[in-house]
Amino acid sequence: SQQGEEDPQALSIQEGENATMNCSYKTSINNLQWYRQNSGRGLVHLILIRSNEREKHSGRLRVTLDTSKKSSSLLITASRAADTASYFCATDATLTSYDKVIFGPGTSLSVIP
Amino acid sequence: DTEVTQTPKHLVMGMTNKKSLKCEQHMGHRAMYWYKQKAKKPPELMFVYSYEKLSINESVPSRFSPECPNSSLLNLHLHALQPEDSALYLCASSQVQKKNIQYFGAGTRLSVL
Repeated sequence: SQQGEEDPQALSIQEGENATMNCSYKTSINNLQWYRQNSGRGLVHLILIRSNEREKHSGRLRVTLDTSKKSSSLLITASRAADTASYFCATDATLTSYDKVIFGPGTSLSVIP
Repeated sequence: DTEVTQTPKHLVMGMTNKKSLKCEQHMGHRAMYWYKQKAKKPPELMFVYSYEKLSINESVPSRFSPECPNSSLLNLHLHALQPEDSALYLCASSQVQKKNIQYFGAGTRLSVL
């Protein structure tokens, strides 16, 4: 089963608005990351938040983590057309014998100019 | 240099063909990965190499054969593929100690006829 799940599946906003995406996961984690993927391209690592952190900022990105609810959110402020992409959360589960990262299903963001 | 280079960008092959996908990085990363991604889905891990040795095989069919000839190169040999194997194949690399921050190539778009 998937470790992380995003909601919404798709989001369409106007340029300049804020975009919020949520991610839920099922088992304990060490870290949670967010990646961006432009259409048909590879993924780009955006930000990592550790399990003992509650909030992290990077430029126009703000990530929160609530380990009690096993959820995270990614906020993109003042969105731009160039932010149009799919966004995936990824977790590295602590309870598996495999040292690997598992991606959630992703949120497709469209920013309309 | 934070680039992971994948070749070819596009590949069309018949079910009886043998082809190879190539991946190269010069970041000194000793962990390298192959992922398979279907349209509108997250990447699915196929193989992980650590220090040029195969450490994870996610029960991938034997028609996919990975190879890591040195610390900079990763190959995926393809033989007798099925149409359902058509997908975007992504290569990634990371530091062994930081597997959660992965650098991705742009991928090879594979079509099996």
